[in-house]
Amino acid sequence: ELKVEQNPLFLSMQEGKNYTIYCNYSTTSDRLYWYRQDPGKSLESLFVLLSNGAVKQEGRLMASLDTKARLSTLHITAAVHDLSATYFCAVDPKGNAGNMLTFGGGTRLMVKP
Amino acid sequence: KAGVTQTPRYLIKTRGQQVTLSCSPISGHRSVSWYQQTPGQGLQFLFEYFSETQRNKGNFPGRFSGRQFSNSRSEMNVSTLELGDSALYLCASSLAGTSGPTSTDTQYFGPGTRLTVL
Repeated sequence: ELKVEQNPLFLSMQEGKNYTIYCNYSTTSDRLYWYRQDPGKSLESLFVLLSNGAVKQEGRLMASLDTKARLSTLHITAAVHDLSATYFCAVDPKGNAGNMLTFGGGTRLMVKP
Repeated sequence: KAGVTQTPRYLIKTRGQQVTLSCSPISGHRSVSWYQQTPGQGLQFLFEYFSETQRNKGNFPGRFSGRQFSNSRSEMNVSTLELGDSALYLCASSLAGTSGPTSTDTQYFGPGTRLTVL
């Protein structure tokens, strides 16, 4: 059974600081997703990482994938309040169409001024 | 392009009743997946439909069922509701045609239906 673990579960940071969220998964997969969820809202797609060594960046967020270590990271650079949300990583166990996702428990990020 | 829509947005039912939730995918998307989100269990995959066929199924009891219509719209049904079925039910759609390991096909989520079972 595929397990996806994120840490930390909760992160409180000051604006302007950097931090990394970690996502470990237990079985082989070459496809990993990062999503963002604001309180009371649905999930917004951030990144799709498809291969070992993949790195994607959007604004202050950068995601990377190491399939050999079964690890993905979401790095936050110079955090701002607007990044406050819950971040989920998700893995497709079939490594194919990505329609049967197993999610991590989420990291609730709070950025304080 | 319109996003994924779900109806109703909120629903209150009592134990033992049944409920049907509806999802309209993004135009052109043929795959629809359903997820349950609860504070205790997090986000869990229910099932996926593609071309009117259930293609993948999660680990939920048979009380949870679904179907997909020829226009890709999907419905999810929960019979004999239990208190533990209270959750946010999210629908997601994707192209999911002949995608393979290099495809960037992504699931786009709807706003969800918040179900409360009393």
